[in-house]
Amino acid sequence: DQQVKQNSPSLSVQEGRISILNCDYTNSMFDYFLWYKKYPAEGPTFLISISSIKDKNEDGRFTVFLNKSAKHLSLHIVPSQPGDSAVYFCAAEKDGGSQGNLIFGKGTKLSVKP
Amino acid sequence: DGGITQSPKYLFRKEGQNVTLSCEQNLNHDAMYWYRQDPGQGLRLIYYSQIVNDFQKGDIAEGYSVSREKKESFPLTVTSAQKNPTAFYLCASIQSSGSYNSPLHFGNGTRLTVT
Repeated sequence: DQQVKQNSPSLSVQEGRISILNCDYTNSMFDYFLWYKKYPAEGPTFLISISSIKDKNEDGRFTVFLNKSAKHLSLHIVPSQPGDSAVYFCAAEKDGGSQGNLIFGKGTKLSVKP
Repeated sequence: DGGITQSPKYLFRKEGQNVTLSCEQNLNHDAMYWYRQDPGQGLRLIYYSQIVNDFQKGDIAEGYSVSREKKESFPLTVTSAQKNPTAFYLCASIQSSGSYNSPLHFGNGTRLTVT
């Protein structure tokens, strides 16, 4: 039973345009969400997070939106750059759970073309 | 420079042999974690430890064992009982402050191949 779903295995966008990566979750106990970026043969690096008490969090070119009623979140990258090409993982943490005990989606591979 | 060191980067073993993956952190983090990644899959939690000399099973602990004798070290042993040991193993740590401003930090992983 997949509690965090990233239904698009891959996404290709042109440099300078917006990249939108989507994530759905099923467990209403999740109260904290994170996005990680991963290059091949490296560990994931933290990108941005959002608490369930917010609906938007912004950090430079990266914005995460949370729609609790739809159990959906999205990561927007504007403008997209070739260096953004990587696999992006959505992750969720349960309310009252151990910090760091995350449920990950399967990832979306983003390709930004020059 | 603080960080998480996993060694070696690539490891090859014969089926039936136990193998231990090293993870060391100098971030002074309280909690440490082991995740596993398979191709096309998300990361799955194997074991975690929130304090020295204590650890808990994650979602896929069968066939694995850990120890936490020192705050900075959290080695993972992949035993012969693990049915599909070939995978990319990631160690992570976090400062368990209860603050949401403290995301999980990952090492660069060890790719284990068992033949």
